[in-house]
Amino acid sequence: DAMVIQNPRYQVTQFGKPVTLSCSQTLNHNVMYWYQQKSSQAPKLLFHYYDKDFNNEADTPDNFQSRRPNTSFCFLDIRSPGLGDAAMYLCATSRTGTGAYEQYFGPGTRLTVT
Amino acid sequence: RKEVEQDPGPFNVPEGATVAFNCTYSNSASQSFFWYRQDCRKEPKLLMSVYSSGNEDGRFTAQLNRASQYISLLIRDSKLSDSATYLCVVTFSGGYNKLIFGAGTRLAVHP
Repeated sequence: DAMVIQNPRYQVTQFGKPVTLSCSQTLNHNVMYWYQQKSSQAPKLLFHYYDKDFNNEADTPDNFQSRRPNTSFCFLDIRSPGLGDAAMYLCATSRTGTGAYEQYFGPGTRLTVT
Repeated sequence: RKEVEQDPGPFNVPEGATVAFNCTYSNSASQSFFWYRQDCRKEPKLLMSVYSSGNEDGRFTAQLNRASQYISLLIRDSKLSDSATYLCVVTFSGGYNKLIFGAGTRLAVHP
């Protein structure tokens, strides 16, 4: 039944230790997004994939990278996590066409940096 | 100025109350509008789209005023289960849909 799956749900990493968060979808949507959400703040778009095309937001730090090996999977790599990177990371998907389509969010991965 | 602005609240209301949330957006090129609901420590979920003619879904009514760049959400007969954060969202279509979120308005419904 699950449509957008994120693993792990909770991740603890050490300052500076690379970490990878994963997202998979069963919706066959061609657009996948990664958002960062800090406490009491709006979700902030980091980047998105339109099919295989990667689109980075201008203010996304270089520390954040992403991979999309196929339609179903997308990964968020944080090369050297800092304390300020502790947040909820949300993966979302949507299809494309004319007009705006609903984005389906995964349950998120809560990242703690120690 | 933030692209999407909302009163953060919290709005504390008794069960059965009517409560209204407002939202303003800065970019007149915004094309689509939504309200999302986010429960504590959970992901956002689409509550309803917002159309220029206004639209209603049960106890929820959404309105859009393009001239004033203003969106509203009205909740009638509040339930305890309505307690959540309500996120105002605008989007610019064009190949993909970039959602611009407001920071959300927190609603707490008490018995």
